[in-house]
Amino acid sequence: EVQLVESGGGLVQPGGSLRLSCSASGFTFSSYAMYWVRQAPGKGLEYVLAISSNGGSTFYADSVKGRFTISRDNSKNTLYLQMSSLRAEDTAVYYCVKVMRASTISYCFDYWGQGTLVTVSS
Amino acid sequence: DIVMTQSPDSLAVSLGERATINCKSSQSVLYSSNTKNYLAWYQQKPGQPPKLLIYWASTRESGVPDRFSGSGSGTDFTLTISSLQAEDVAVYYCQQYYTSATFGQGTKLEIK
Repeated sequence: EVQLVESGGGLVQPGGSLRLSCSASGFTFSSYAMYWVRQAPGKGLEYVLAISSNGGSTFYADSVKGRFTISRDNSKNTLYLQMSSLRAEDTAVYYCVKVMRASTISYCFDYWGQGTLVTVSS
Repeated sequence: DIVMTQSPDSLAVSLGERATINCKSSQSVLYSSNTKNYLAWYQQKPGQPPKLLIYWASTRESGVPDRFSGSGSGTDFTLTISSLQAEDVAVYYCQQYYTSATFGQGTKLEIK
């Protein structure tokens, strides 16, 4: 059974930093591109970052470019999101998401974690 | 970036009736080399992550009831629920995965 379990969310002050983790199991993690998708309270879904299966390619939404970094450790089956210079508008549930097809970054998402809430507030 | 626009923003349908949600992309998501539309539909219930319903615009994900169907090509797409059940109350999102990933704003489906 595929499982994606996010951790690391919490309350952080504006300008602060936070690192999210996503522990993956039930599939060959190193074969799949992964995404972080966020959802502000009561709002829709927003793609934030993506990373290829081997970590060699990363992609960023304009809203987080220069502030957020995506990475992965395939030996630990773990995806990371390093967030810095956080703003109030970054407040959201952050989902770790798996693409449906191996070795392809542009694909639909077949598994989502339960999400972890990041609140940026003073 | 490809912009996805859904209509309506909310919809109330009687149990057993048909529900139709539309999605329009700002540019075609049809990839000519494989003639596939890079368009998916998701269902999100309160407090839950989204669930994949449809991909390639019309392919139902395993386990999804056959009352859910997707259609369309190029820039205009439709999600249809043929006979609304109480458990279908949710927010529905379309998503293009032709370049990166962008979502529509969502359509809230309720029981009339």
